[in-house]
Amino acid sequence: DTGVSQDPRHKITKRGQNVTFRCDPISEHNRLYWYRQTLGQGPEFLTYFQNEAQLEKSRLLSDRFSAERPKGSFSTLEIQRTEQGDSAMYLCASSPSEQYFGPGTRLTVT
Amino acid sequence: QQQVKQSPQSLIVQKGGISIINCAYENTAFDYFPWYQQFPGKGPALLIAIRPDVSEKKEGRFTISFNKSAKQFSLHIMDSQPGDSATYFCAASRRGSTLGRLYFGRGTQLTVWP
Repeated sequence: DTGVSQDPRHKITKRGQNVTFRCDPISEHNRLYWYRQTLGQGPEFLTYFQNEAQLEKSRLLSDRFSAERPKGSFSTLEIQRTEQGDSAMYLCASSPSEQYFGPGTRLTVT
Repeated sequence: QQQVKQSPQSLIVQKGGISIINCAYENTAFDYFPWYQQFPGKGPALLIAIRPDVSEKKEGRFTISFNKSAKQFSLHIMDSQPGDSATYFCAASRRGSTLGRLYFGRGTQLTVWP
Protein backbone atom coordinates (compact mmCIF):
# COMPACT_ATOMS: atom_id res chain seq x y z
CA ASP A 1 0.00 0.00 0.00
CA THR A 2 1.56 3.28 -1.07
CA GLY A 3 -0.90 5.61 0.65
CA VAL A 4 -0.44 7.74 3.73
CA SER A 5 -0.16 5.61 6.86
CA GLN A 6 -0.72 6.60 10.47
CA ASP A 7 0.11 4.85 13.69
CA PRO A 8 -1.51 4.03 16.01
CA ARG A 9 -5.04 3.91 14.60
CA HIS A 10 -6.57 4.21 18.05
CA LYS A 11 -5.20 5.56 21.30
CA ILE A 12 -6.91 5.69 24.68
CA THR A 13 -5.08 7.63 27.34
CA LYS A 14 -5.74 9.13 30.72
CA ARG A 15 -5.89 12.86 31.19
CA GLY A 16 -2.47 14.29 31.89
CA GLN A 17 -0.54 11.67 29.94
CA ASN A 18 1.59 12.40 26.88
CA VAL A 19 0.85 10.79 23.53
CA THR A 20 2.72 10.67 20.23
CA PHE A 21 1.35 9.88 16.81
CA ARG A 22 3.28 9.01 13.67
CA CYS A 23 2.52 9.75 10.04
CA ASP A 24 4.29 8.22 7.05
CA PRO A 25 3.47 10.23 3.91
CA ILE A 26 3.37 9.03 0.35
CA SER A 27 6.93 8.63 -0.84
CA GLU A 28 8.44 11.80 -2.31
CA HIS A 29 5.58 14.05 -1.19
CA ASN A 30 7.37 17.09 0.16
CA ARG A 31 4.36 18.65 1.87
CA LEU A 32 2.83 17.18 5.01
CA TYR A 33 -0.17 18.47 6.95
CA TRP A 34 -1.79 17.64 10.27
CA TYR A 35 -5.50 18.22 10.81
CA ARG A 36 -7.84 17.52 13.70
CA GLN A 37 -11.40 16.37 13.21
CA THR A 38 -14.05 16.25 15.92
CA LEU A 39 -17.36 14.45 15.60
CA GLY A 40 -19.69 16.04 13.10
CA GLN A 41 -17.13 18.58 11.90
CA GLY A 42 -14.79 18.96 9.00
CA PRO A 43 -11.05 18.63 9.50
CA GLU A 44 -9.32 21.68 10.98
CA PHE A 45 -5.78 22.60 10.05
CA LEU A 46 -3.10 22.22 12.73
CA THR A 47 0.29 22.53 11.07
CA TYR A 48 2.17 22.17 7.83
CA PHE A 49 5.65 21.03 6.80
CA GLN A 50 7.47 21.52 3.56
CA ASN A 51 10.24 18.95 3.71
CA GLU A 52 11.60 19.27 7.25
CA ALA A 53 10.59 22.90 7.76
CA GLN A 54 7.46 23.63 9.78
CA LEU A 55 6.02 26.60 7.93
CA GLU A 56 2.80 27.31 9.79
CA LYS A 57 1.05 26.43 13.01
CA SER A 58 -2.62 27.04 13.65
CA ARG A 59 -3.78 28.86 16.75
CA LEU A 60 -5.47 25.55 17.57
CA LEU A 61 -2.01 24.15 18.23
CA SER A 62 -1.42 25.12 21.85
CA ASP A 63 1.93 24.94 23.59
CA ARG A 64 1.08 21.36 24.60
CA PHE A 65 1.27 20.29 20.96
CA SER A 66 4.47 19.82 19.04
CA ALA A 67 5.12 18.37 15.61
CA GLU A 68 8.32 17.34 13.92
CA ARG A 69 9.46 16.06 10.57
CA PRO A 70 13.15 15.55 11.23
CA LYS A 71 14.34 14.17 7.91
CA GLY A 72 11.61 15.43 5.68
CA SER A 73 9.97 12.01 5.55
CA PHE A 74 7.77 10.78 8.43
CA SER A 75 6.29 13.17 10.97
CA THR A 76 5.30 12.93 14.61
CA LEU A 77 2.67 14.86 16.53
CA GLU A 78 3.04 14.92 20.31
CA ILE A 79 0.44 16.09 22.78
CA GLN A 80 1.66 16.72 26.31
CA ARG A 81 -0.55 16.71 29.39
CA THR A 82 -3.59 15.56 27.43
CA GLU A 83 -7.00 17.03 28.23
CA GLN A 84 -10.45 15.64 27.51
CA GLY A 85 -10.91 18.31 24.88
CA ASP A 86 -8.05 16.76 22.91
CA SER A 87 -10.24 13.76 22.09
CA ALA A 88 -10.56 13.77 18.32
CA MET A 89 -9.40 12.14 15.11
CA TYR A 90 -5.93 13.35 14.13
CA LEU A 91 -5.43 13.24 10.39
CA CYS A 92 -2.26 13.48 8.38
CA ALA A 93 -2.17 14.39 4.71
CA SER A 94 0.66 14.54 2.22
CA SER A 95 0.83 16.43 -0.99
CA PRO A 96 2.74 17.27 -4.06
CA SER A 97 -0.33 19.48 -4.78
CA GLU A 98 -3.61 17.64 -4.03
CA GLN A 99 -3.79 16.47 -0.43
CA TYR A 100 -4.12 12.76 0.27
CA PHE A 101 -5.22 11.79 3.74
CA GLY A 102 -4.26 8.90 5.93
CA PRO A 103 -6.78 6.86 7.93
CA GLY A 104 -6.28 8.96 11.05
CA THR A 105 -5.52 8.27 14.69
CA ARG A 106 -8.54 8.28 16.97
CA LEU A 107 -7.56 9.71 20.37
CA THR A 108 -9.77 9.24 23.40
CA VAL A 109 -8.76 11.00 26.61
CA THR A 110 -10.49 9.63 29.68
CA GLN B 1 -15.37 31.98 11.62
CA GLN B 2 -16.28 29.33 9.08
CA GLN B 3 -14.41 30.07 5.86
CA VAL B 4 -16.49 27.61 3.85
CA LYS B 5 -20.20 27.14 4.53
CA GLN B 6 -21.80 23.86 3.48
CA SER B 7 -25.41 22.75 3.20
CA PRO B 8 -27.43 20.72 3.81
CA GLN B 9 -26.12 19.05 6.94
CA SER B 10 -27.81 15.79 5.96
CA LEU B 11 -29.41 14.51 2.78
CA ILE B 12 -31.53 11.47 2.02
CA VAL B 13 -31.87 10.42 -1.61
CA GLN B 14 -33.55 7.51 -3.34
CA LYS B 15 -31.33 5.16 -5.32
CA GLY B 16 -30.94 6.48 -8.84
CA GLY B 17 -31.70 10.05 -7.80
CA ILE B 18 -29.50 13.14 -7.90
CA SER B 19 -27.70 14.29 -4.75
CA ILE B 20 -26.82 17.98 -4.59
CA ILE B 21 -24.58 19.54 -1.95
CA ASN B 22 -23.84 23.25 -1.88
CA CYS B 23 -20.94 25.31 -0.56
CA ALA B 24 -20.21 29.01 -0.33
CA TYR B 25 -17.06 30.94 0.49
CA GLU B 26 -16.08 34.54 1.14
CA ASN B 27 -12.32 34.67 0.58
CA THR B 28 -11.73 35.63 -3.06
CA ALA B 29 -8.13 34.47 -2.72
CA PHE B 30 -9.30 30.86 -2.77
CA ASP B 31 -8.45 29.26 -6.09
CA TYR B 32 -8.80 25.53 -5.53
CA PHE B 33 -11.98 23.75 -4.49
CA PRO B 34 -11.84 20.02 -3.77
CA TRP B 35 -14.54 17.67 -2.57
CA TYR B 36 -13.74 14.83 -0.20
CA GLN B 37 -15.72 11.70 0.63
CA GLN B 38 -15.37 10.15 4.06
CA PHE B 39 -16.65 6.81 5.31
CA PRO B 40 -16.96 6.11 9.04
CA GLY B 41 -13.60 5.41 10.65
CA LYS B 42 -11.67 6.39 7.53
CA GLY B 43 -9.77 9.44 6.42
CA PRO B 44 -11.22 11.78 3.79
CA ALA B 45 -10.64 10.65 0.20
CA LEU B 46 -10.27 13.16 -2.61
CA LEU B 47 -13.23 12.85 -4.96
CA ILE B 48 -13.00 15.67 -7.47
CA ALA B 49 -11.61 19.20 -7.54
CA ILE B 50 -12.03 22.36 -9.60
CA ARG B 51 -10.17 25.59 -10.28
CA PRO B 52 -12.19 28.81 -10.76
CA ASP B 53 -11.20 29.19 -14.41
CA VAL B 54 -13.85 26.61 -15.35
CA SER B 55 -17.54 26.55 -14.47
CA GLU B 56 -18.02 22.80 -14.44
CA LYS B 57 -16.00 19.62 -14.08
CA LYS B 58 -17.35 16.13 -14.51
CA GLU B 59 -15.82 12.82 -13.52
CA GLY B 60 -18.07 9.84 -13.97
CA ARG B 61 -21.23 10.36 -11.91
CA PHE B 62 -19.72 13.31 -10.01
CA THR B 63 -19.94 16.90 -11.25
CA ILE B 64 -18.75 20.14 -9.66
CA SER B 65 -20.54 23.31 -10.70
CA PHE B 66 -18.73 26.55 -9.91
CA ASN B 67 -20.15 30.07 -9.84
CA LYS B 68 -17.29 32.50 -9.31
CA SER B 69 -19.42 35.66 -9.15
CA ALA B 70 -21.67 34.15 -6.49
CA LYS B 71 -18.72 32.51 -4.71
CA GLN B 72 -20.58 29.23 -4.64
CA PHE B 73 -19.86 25.72 -5.79
CA SER B 74 -21.79 22.50 -5.63
CA LEU B 75 -21.37 18.75 -5.99
CA HIS B 76 -23.89 16.77 -8.01
CA ILE B 77 -23.96 13.00 -7.72
CA MET B 78 -25.95 11.50 -10.58
CA ASP B 79 -27.62 8.09 -10.35
CA SER B 80 -26.89 7.97 -6.61
CA GLN B 81 -26.12 4.51 -5.24
CA PRO B 82 -26.25 3.06 -1.72
CA GLY B 83 -22.45 2.80 -1.85
CA ASP B 84 -22.34 6.61 -2.12
CA SER B 85 -23.69 6.84 1.44
CA ALA B 86 -20.94 8.75 3.24
CA THR B 87 -20.08 12.19 4.55
CA TYR B 88 -19.03 14.71 1.92
CA PHE B 89 -16.87 17.72 2.63
CA CYS B 90 -16.22 20.68 0.42
CA ALA B 91 -13.00 22.58 0.94
CA ALA B 92 -11.06 25.52 -0.39
CA SER B 93 -7.49 26.66 -0.44
CA ARG B 94 -5.10 29.11 -1.99
CA ARG B 95 -2.99 26.84 -4.15
CA GLY B 96 -1.14 29.80 -5.56
CA SER B 97 0.47 30.27 -2.17
CA THR B 98 3.14 27.97 -0.78
CA LEU B 99 0.78 27.03 2.00
CA GLY B 100 -2.19 25.21 0.53
CA ARG B 101 -3.93 24.51 3.80
CA LEU B 102 -7.47 23.36 3.26
CA TYR B 103 -10.48 25.05 4.83
CA PHE B 104 -13.28 22.50 5.14
CA GLY B 105 -17.02 22.85 5.35
CA ARG B 106 -18.83 21.07 8.16
CA GLY B 107 -19.87 18.15 6.00
CA THR B 108 -23.03 16.64 4.56
CA GLN B 109 -24.10 13.18 5.61
CA LEU B 110 -25.60 11.52 2.53
CA THR B 111 -27.84 8.48 2.81
CA VAL B 112 -28.95 6.74 -0.36
CA TRP B 113 -31.91 4.41 0.13
CA PRO B 114 -32.05 1.30 -2.06
